[in-house]
Amino acid sequence: DADVTQTPRNRITKTGKRIMLECSQTKGHDRMYWYRQDPGLGLQLIYYSFDVKDINKGEISDGYSVSRQAQAKFSLSLESAIPNQTALYFCATSDLRDTDTQYFGPGTRLTVL
Amino acid sequence: GQSLEQPSEVTAVEGAIVQINCTYQTSGFYGLSWYQQHDGGAPTFLSYNGLDGLEETGRFSSFLSRSDSYGYLLLQELQMKDSASYFCAVSRNSGNTPLVFGKGTRLSVIA
Repeated sequence: DADVTQTPRNRITKTGKRIMLECSQTKGHDRMYWYRQDPGLGLQLIYYSFDVKDINKGEISDGYSVSRQAQAKFSLSLESAIPNQTALYFCATSDLRDTDTQYFGPGTRLTVL
Repeated sequence: GQSLEQPSEVTAVEGAIVQINCTYQTSGFYGLSWYQQHDGGAPTFLSYNGLDGLEETGRFSSFLSRSDSYGYLLLQELQMKDSASYFCAVSRNSGNTPLVFGKGTRLSVIA
């Protein structure tokens, strides 16, 4: 089984809908991250969490919110989706003792019509 | 703020050697990492340099010069499967802030 899983893997939705993307990990890592990837723009950090009680905004947090339900679960919500949020979304984890090695989930491809 | 610069595209011949450069400007620099991403896949960790010099892992090597704010990834004996995007990423503040990724270099290996 994969160490970092994301659901759904693909999602098509309409403008204005609320969407939740879920991430679960079995690596036992404290740190979790949500990234957005657009062609040619690399990985942009949306939110990150260094432990269950810690939530921090990344460089592009507007229009997004997150919830860290447990050490193993970190979900990303789009309260009212808009077309320019169409992108590939990755969840990642890292261990406190090796923060430079991030482990990524398989990604969620989101299309907002 | 911080910035990372890497070429957007590189093309190289199978069996050859290719170097992907990364220059950075950031405060609190701690180390430089490299990640590989195949089309449709997730990024995967390749290497990390915390100190100046060369780190070798099989066909891949990574280099860091703190004084020049510069690093590179060297791929030897290129194979078709090395066609992918490669991202450099800086860690700052002893790892107490998240990695900052470059925009990636798309490597195409041709026969």
